Amino acid sequence: QKEVEQNSGPLSVPEGAIASLNCTYSDRGSQSFFWYRQYSGKSPELIMSIYSNGDKEDGRFTAQLNKASQYVSLLIRDSQPSDSATYLCAVRRNNDMRFGAGTRLTVKP
Amino acid sequence: NAGVTQTPKFQVLKTGQSMTLQCAQDMNHNSMYWYRQDPGMGLRLIYYSASEGTTDKGEVPNGYNVSRLNKREFSLRLESAAPSQTSVYFCASSSWGQGREKLFFGSGTQLSVL
Repeated sequence: QKEVEQNSGPLSVPEGAIASLNCTYSDRGSQSFFWYRQYSGKSPELIMSIYSNGDKEDGRFTAQLNKASQYVSLLIRDSQPSDSATYLCAVRRNNDMRFGAGTRLTVKP
Repeated sequence: NAGVTQTPKFQVLKTGQSMTLQCAQDMNHNSMYWYRQDPGMGLRLIYYSASEGTTDKGEVPNGYNVSRLNKREFSLRLESAAPSQTSVYFCASSSWGQGREKLFFGSGTQLSVL
C-alpha cells in the first residue's frame, strides 16, 4: 500500500464550480500535510499547508484535515481554467516527506 | 536569490554509464531531498538528508547513491544507469518546524537512459 493515496483522476469541472480533491495517508505519526500544484513541465508549487484537524481557508482554497480518518482534502471554489493542473498531496513525518501520485484537474470554460 | 539550482537540465545516457546530478541551495536549509517523477506516479522519494553529514533512504533508493557534501550541496549519483531510471529528477530543500513549512524545488533534470 502506498503511503499517500490520491485518486488519479482526471477530474473535470466546469468553470465556476467547486473542485474537490481527496487524499489518504497511512502513517499515523505524520505531522504536516500539504497540497502542491504542478503545471505540465514545471516544478511543484505549494498551495496550502495544514497541521491540525479542521479547515483552513486561503482565498478560493480550503484544506481539510481529519487525523482520525487519516484524510486530507482540498476544495477549490469558483474554479478557473488557470486551475487546470495536477494537484499533489504531501505528508511529512520528521524529515521524511512523501507525495501521492497526484490528481489531474481540468477546468472547462 | 537563486533558490535551488539543479544541473544538468537534460541528460541522455547509455545503459551502464554513470553520472552525478548536482543540487545546491542558498537558503541555509537543513533538509534536502531527491525525488523522481514518472508519468502517473507522482513524486517518489529517492533519498533525503536531514542535515549535513546524514542521509536516509526514501521509497525508491535502489540504483542510486547520494552525498551531502556540505549544507548547501546534495548530489545524486547513478553508478550504472538502467532504462528504468529514465525519469524527471527534482531536488528540493526545506527547513521544517518554523511555522511556514515549504519545500523549495529545483527546475528538474530530464534524464533518458537508452
